[in-house]
Amino acid sequence: DGGITQSPKYLFRKEGQNVTLSCEQNLNHDAMYWYRQDPGQGLRLIYYSQIVNDFQKGDIAEGYSVSREKKESFPLTVTSAQKNPTAFYLCASSIVRGRAGDEQFFGPGTRLTVL
Amino acid sequence: DAKTTQPTSMDCAEGRAANLPCNHSTISGNEYVYWYRQIHSQGPQYIIHGLKNNETNEMASLIITEDRKSSTLILPHATLRDTAVYYCIVRPVDGSARQLTFGSGTQLTVLP
Repeated sequence: DGGITQSPKYLFRKEGQNVTLSCEQNLNHDAMYWYRQDPGQGLRLIYYSQIVNDFQKGDIAEGYSVSREKKESFPLTVTSAQKNPTAFYLCASSIVRGRAGDEQFFGPGTRLTVL
Repeated sequence: DAKTTQPTSMDCAEGRAANLPCNHSTISGNEYVYWYRQIHSQGPQYIIHGLKNNETNEMASLIITEDRKSSTLILPHATLRDTAVYYCIVRPVDGSARQLTFGSGTQLTVLP
């Protein structure tokens, strides 16, 4: 089955530790995205990548880092510099179709709790 | 991106049509209207999008007013599994805005 997988579903870390969230897609999509969602709020974009080995900062990139070494994979590292990392993290992917419109497909999310 | 306004919450009886409104009075001619939904603690799910014509797919229908200042998402026969937060989003047609800008959405509760 084609889709996006995120692991793990729940993640606990101690304050001050870096942690990497996994995102893999087998949809052959060019673009991938990381969003953060806080309770009762909408999604905010952290980073996105439209092509391998290239990525751009979103609205709230501070304290996060990403890599895009393979088309299928877009891992997100939450560093110790992120002041409030506890949140629900969502990965998405899309075909880059320009004017035709490009719906984004989301993974199931990872709920990160920093203790 | 144009700002959207949606009611905070709505109820709908199971089996009846759910009509979710969205105002986007500042939408420009080169912006699509997208609808997504998010079931609690899951990733958002794409539903439908349109530019100026009405659209229908296996999940829903999208009705866009002639002046494009508002739209309505219609779930023709709501089920309990349709209970979710529904987001109306506008995005440029040319794909220049990569991100989806989610507002607070409408919490739809389908009642048995």
